[in-house]
Amino acid sequence: NAGVTQTPKFRVLKTGQSMTLLCAQDMNHEYMYWYRQDPGMGLRLIHYSVGEGTTAKGEVPDGYNVSRLKKQNFLLGLESAAPSQTSVYFCASRRTRPYEQYFGPGTRLTVT
Amino acid sequence: AQTVTQSQPEMSVQEAETVTLSCTYDTSESDYYLFWYKQPPSRQMILVIRQEAYKQQNATENRFSVNFQKAAKSFSLKISDSQLGDAAMYFCAYRSPVLTSGGGADGLTFGKGTHLIIQP
Repeated sequence: NAGVTQTPKFRVLKTGQSMTLLCAQDMNHEYMYWYRQDPGMGLRLIHYSVGEGTTAKGEVPDGYNVSRLKKQNFLLGLESAAPSQTSVYFCASRRTRPYEQYFGPGTRLTVT
Repeated sequence: AQTVTQSQPEMSVQEAETVTLSCTYDTSESDYYLFWYKQPPSRQMILVIRQEAYKQQNATENRFSVNFQKAAKSFSLKISDSQLGDAAMYFCAYRSPVLTSGGGADGLTFGKGTHLIIQP
């Protein structure tokens, strides 16, 4: 049981490049989330999904897109990376109840 | 929108002593959930403890306990018998079980964190 995994762990992009972060969970959770963490800040919600085929915007969705084609996977895409998107990205998942979320190990993304 | 405030950017405690981390939150809801997460240098987010607002009894997990004061909207974390492995960032988080009428997003609202240092 691997829990929540994220690919890749590190990535460096140039401004304007695109990339996709992959999140996978093997706990059969319905809900999945993408957060970003910036220095001196807590985590902020980017997008989330309440089930396969559904996605919704969180607090800071601009510049990101997501897809949930399979229940176990949640993809975060950056179409045209900007330096402001330099951050650590966390994926999380949870059951319907209780509400605690289980986090992946994070992806450190640097945009130069 | 809900907000979570952690007023102590950094705390330091001697090994084996007790330390309390503060958290306050702002909400107009009566039913919600509160969490403390630990983030060690590995950056993995680890759930420490959970509290349901409808439960009056304070949650406890081994050396970790909370002081939940609903009227004061306060949710502090007490770590007893501090150990070197407790050194980490600690984040308080809030979650409402019901989406707001304005279509608020699902997910946790986090405070900015408290950096806990354990002095040997």
